[in-house]
Amino acid sequence: DVKVTQSSRYLVKRTGEKVFLECVQDMDHENMFWYRQDPGLGLRLIYFSYDVKMKEKGDIPEGYSVSREKKERFSLILESASTNQTSMYLCASTLDRLASPLHFGNGTRLTVT
Amino acid sequence: AQKITQTQPGMFVQEKEAVTLDCTYDTSDPSYGLFWYKQPSSGEMIFLIYQGSYDQQNATEGRYSLNFQKARKSANLVISASQLGDSAMYFCAMSQQIMNTGFQKLVFGTGTRLLVSP
Repeated sequence: DVKVTQSSRYLVKRTGEKVFLECVQDMDHENMFWYRQDPGLGLRLIYFSYDVKMKEKGDIPEGYSVSREKKERFSLILESASTNQTSMYLCASTLDRLASPLHFGNGTRLTVT
Repeated sequence: AQKITQTQPGMFVQEKEAVTLDCTYDTSDPSYGLFWYKQPSSGEMIFLIYQGSYDQQNATEGRYSLNFQKARKSANLVISASQLGDSAMYFCAMSQQIMNTGFQKLVFGTGTRLLVSP
C-alpha cells in the first residue's frame, strides 16, 4: 500500500513564526500536492509538484511556499504564519500526470495563535 | 469555471438501508474524471470510486456505486446496505485540466456528512 506520511498530526504556532509541514511518500510517485481543508470550503489546492525541484501554484498559494529537493519529500512552508492559516493541511501524491486517485496523508491540524 | 457542488451538508440513514449522496459538476473540459472520497473522524482521506467521463457504464466498487448522468452533470454516490462504519464525511471531486501544464488537479466539493444510526 502507498504510504503518505505527514510529520506532525497537530501543530500550534505563534503568529509570525516560520512553519514547515513535511510530507513523505514511499511509492516513488512523481506528483505531490498540498491541500488545505476548511469547514464549508472543502479542500483547496495550495501548491503541487510534478518533479524534483518543480512546483506549480494551486488555487490559494498566497502566504505559502513549497520545497521539493527529493522525489519522496514535499514540504509546505508558511513564511510568516497568520491566524487565517489555521487549518487542516493534507498532503497527497499520485503516480500519473493525469488525475488518478490521490493518496492522502493523515493531515496536519495547524493552529496559529 | 469548473465547480463541484454538494448540496447536502448532512445526511442520516439507518443501518442496512441504502443512501444516495448528491454531486453535480460543471466543466468545459471534454475529458474528465469524477472521484468520491471518504473522510472518517480520524482525518484520513480514503479513495472510494472513480468514473471517467467516457465510461459507458456506471462504476461500482463493492457497496459503492456511482450514478453517472452525463447530460445532467451529476455523479451521485450510492452506498448500499449502510454500516455504522460508513459514518464519515464524503467528498466528491473532479479532475480539472491545468492550463499549459498538461496536468490535471482535483477540485473538491464542500462535502456531505453522513451519519448511520443503528
